Amino acid sequence: DGGITQSPKYLFRKEGQNVTLSCEQNLNHDAMYWYRQDPGQGLRLIYYSQIVNDFQKGDIAEGYSVSREKKESFPLTVTSAQKNPTAFYLCASNPGEIYNEQFFGPGTRLTVL
Amino acid sequence: GQNIDQPTEMTATEGAIVQINCTYQTSGFNGLFWYQQHAGEAPTFLSYNVLDGLEEKGRFSSFLSRSKGYSYLLLKELQMKDSASYLCAVVDSNYQLIWGAGTKLIIKP
Repeated sequence: DGGITQSPKYLFRKEGQNVTLSCEQNLNHDAMYWYRQDPGQGLRLIYYSQIVNDFQKGDIAEGYSVSREKKESFPLTVTSAQKNPTAFYLCASNPGEIYNEQFFGPGTRLTVL
Repeated sequence: GQNIDQPTEMTATEGAIVQINCTYQTSGFNGLFWYQQHAGEAPTFLSYNVLDGLEEKGRFSSFLSRSKGYSYLLLKELQMKDSASYLCAVVDSNYQLIWGAGTKLIIKP
């Protein structure tokens, strides 16, 4: 079955530590996205990548970093520079065509203690 | 700036009909999506409108008026499992998705 996987589902970290969230897709999609969702709010774009070895900042990129070394993988690192990292993180992908339906992974809930 | 407005929360009764509205002001328009999101889960695709009019899919329908910058999602024969947040998202001139904050729908027996 094709899909997007994110791991782990729940993640706890101490303040000041960097943490990397994984996102893998086997849908052969070109474009991948990272969103942050806070309670009662919509999705805010952190970073996106439309092709391997290239990515762009979204609306709230400060304190985050990404890489896109493989088409299937788009890991997100939450650095200690992110002031309020506790949130629900969603990874998504789409084929990169004009029709922009995005397919989502199950999400990772990050709690920084 | 770009803006998408949806009601924060709505309540409806099981078996009834509910309409969730979405108004948008974006730089360009290349389509509008509705997604359903249960608490703690990922959004799942419900509908896509790019032309004016009504798209029907089972108990769910979505309407678009581009001239008014307006869409609605209509849910019929409500079931308890329809309790979720409903997200409106617009594809802008750069083919990026602009998301609304979502409408939390509470279904009561």
